[in-house]
Amino acid sequence: KNEVEQSPQNLTAQEGEFITINCSYSVGISALHWLQQHPGGGIVSLFMLSSGKKKHGRLIATINIQEKHSSLHITASHPRDSAVYICAVREKTSGSRLTFGEGTQLTVNP
Amino acid sequence: GAVVSQHPSRVICKSGTSVKIECRSLDFQATTMFWYRQFPKQSLMLMATSNEGSKATYEQGVEKDKFLINHASLTLSTLTVTSAHPEDSSFYICSASDRDQPQHFGDGTRLSIL
Repeated sequence: KNEVEQSPQNLTAQEGEFITINCSYSVGISALHWLQQHPGGGIVSLFMLSSGKKKHGRLIATINIQEKHSSLHITASHPRDSAVYICAVREKTSGSRLTFGEGTQLTVNP
Repeated sequence: GAVVSQHPSRVICKSGTSVKIECRSLDFQATTMFWYRQFPKQSLMLMATSNEGSKATYEQGVEKDKFLINHASLTLSTLTVTSAHPEDSSFYICSASDRDQPQHFGDGTRLSIL
């Protein structure tokens, strides 16, 4: 079993739909990251969370430390949101090293 | 925001060639840099962690003589794939962080060995 599990693995949505991607982890963490990887391969850091909720534009990320669970929400999804979304955790004992989930491939159709 | 520049973005070369990939932090000091390898449809696999001025720490199964890492300054780390072979073809991506700050990723290098 992976230390970081994401669901779903693949997600197809229609433009405008509300999207939720989930991440569960089994280790003690100091922070959780949501990353976006574009088809060309470049990775953008969307959020770093250690508690609560963060919002940036149409993106919202939440984390529940007790339940070891985080969600990434995209409101009013758009085809340009199509990408791989990766959950990564920074374990308490590993400094700035990250442990990655397998990623969620999101496709938003017009 | 913090920017990490990775160069080159794509390399195609013959088997037996050594290839150097550069990773630069443009507007912050990178005390730690990470090198990852990514196979198609898979997540990032950490190859090694390098701290400025000290030897890199390699993950189990990664040959240090094959993948030479140098982190000579707080803004530059290099990965050299020595005597590359077709099985080394992959997507390589670096990231950099300053102490406990988030990692910032380069755009990756797609390496193709013929």
